[in-house]
Amino acid sequence: AQSVTQLGSHVSVSEGALVLLRCNYSSSVPPYLFWYVQYPNQGLQLLLKYTTGATLVKGINGFEAEFKKSETSFHLTKPSAHMSDAAEYFCAVGANTGNQFYFGTGTSLTVIP
Amino acid sequence: DADVTQTPRNRITKTGKRIMLECSQTKGHDRMYWYRQDPGLGLRLIYYSFDVKDINKGEISDGYSVSRQAQAKFSLSLESAIPNQTALYFCATMASGSKLKGEQFFGPGTRLTVL
Repeated sequence: AQSVTQLGSHVSVSEGALVLLRCNYSSSVPPYLFWYVQYPNQGLQLLLKYTTGATLVKGINGFEAEFKKSETSFHLTKPSAHMSDAAEYFCAVGANTGNQFYFGTGTSLTVIP
Repeated sequence: DADVTQTPRNRITKTGKRIMLECSQTKGHDRMYWYRQDPGLGLRLIYYSFDVKDINKGEISDGYSVSRQAQAKFSLSLESAIPNQTALYFCATMASGSKLKGEQFFGPGTRLTVL
């Protein structure tokens, strides 16, 4: 069984401040881990993913995430928030068989000027 | 042109009506998925299909049915719509090959309201 927990349904940061969005997962098999972003009135698009290999993964728009197996976490970070980062962010987990994917409940990021 | 399209984009219907949501893709992917998004609940999987003859139930399939008419088309039906099926519905595709491991491509969504 797999599941995802995103801590904090709403996060607010000042422009230029660090962005940290938290994701913890449970999985009985080696996981695939993903962060997706959803802008208003749009579908989801992939920010970054971890499948195998390097545990620190870099994505688009300056975001990165680190897979920490011992903590079952995959937190998303960005050193300096930009106004355009305001969106809903979803963490997702899938088994390495790729059959199904489970999404967290989402974190809405607000960037304050 | 969009790679994953959904029609209609918005639909308002009444309780008891039959509704079909359609999804088409030009990405050539074999796997297709239907999700619903509800505030505070994230995305939940309704059905998924690995090819035309392989259709599987997701975690919330009750009240829904699907049809994979071709590799590029995957339709979701609500046989008798009820108000708690009001939600935003997303179609997604994925290639089964190793090159794009696990990456799903989402359509723009269909906002369905059942009165």
